[in-house]
Amino acid sequence: GAGVSQSPRYKVAKRGQDVALRCDPISGHVSLFWYQQALGQGPEFLTYFQNEAQLDKSGLPSDRFFAERPEGSVSTLKIQRTQQEDSAVYLCASRRGVNTEAFFGQGTRLTVV
Amino acid sequence: GIQVEQSPPDLILQEGANSTLRCNFSDSVNNLQWFHQNPWGQLINLFYIPSGTKQNGRLSATTVATERYSLLYISSSQTTDSGVYFCAVDTGGFKTIFGAGTRLFVKA
Repeated sequence: GAGVSQSPRYKVAKRGQDVALRCDPISGHVSLFWYQQALGQGPEFLTYFQNEAQLDKSGLPSDRFFAERPEGSVSTLKIQRTQQEDSAVYLCASRRGVNTEAFFGQGTRLTVV
Repeated sequence: GIQVEQSPPDLILQEGANSTLRCNFSDSVNNLQWFHQNPWGQLINLFYIPSGTKQNGRLSATTVATERYSLLYISSSQTTDSGVYFCAVDTGGFKTIFGAGTRLFVKA
């Protein structure tokens, strides 16, 4: 596609509910990143994929967070048993290669009530 | 890990004024980008500039990699320039580290 696409744009979840956030990167982009952005803060790194391989997941805040990219294109970020502190905007970015420009999607705003 | 500091944290300008935003980083970088986050939350690419100088219309950027800083210049500011400006760097690994941003408000 023309840009990075994320869905849904907005998600309201009840505490304890599981959610799945989707990212469609730019076609042909090898690298894919997930970030979490709290209100008034800069984006914080969560995890990185190169093709289907998850090479860095050091930013995932707990084992309730899980990401996958099984075919090296679309990625899903799953949050199990959501808690209020998970409320944030989740951003996805993709890059053609390592030392290239990153492009971001519009994000998914998650609100846990 | 690498530290990224942006200044000033907040900036209010009268329309038509010029400004300079600064990004300092604590280690050598392979990649550096400037983004504008608009009021709807979209991160818009401004410059990919690990070194050197680039210009795009009223905006220009300079990165002096040996001295570990980058500057973003905004000339003849417009109300549509309002938002948050982020500097983001990485050292050739996988993590891109963002600064805390500069919040710009341009008054009509």
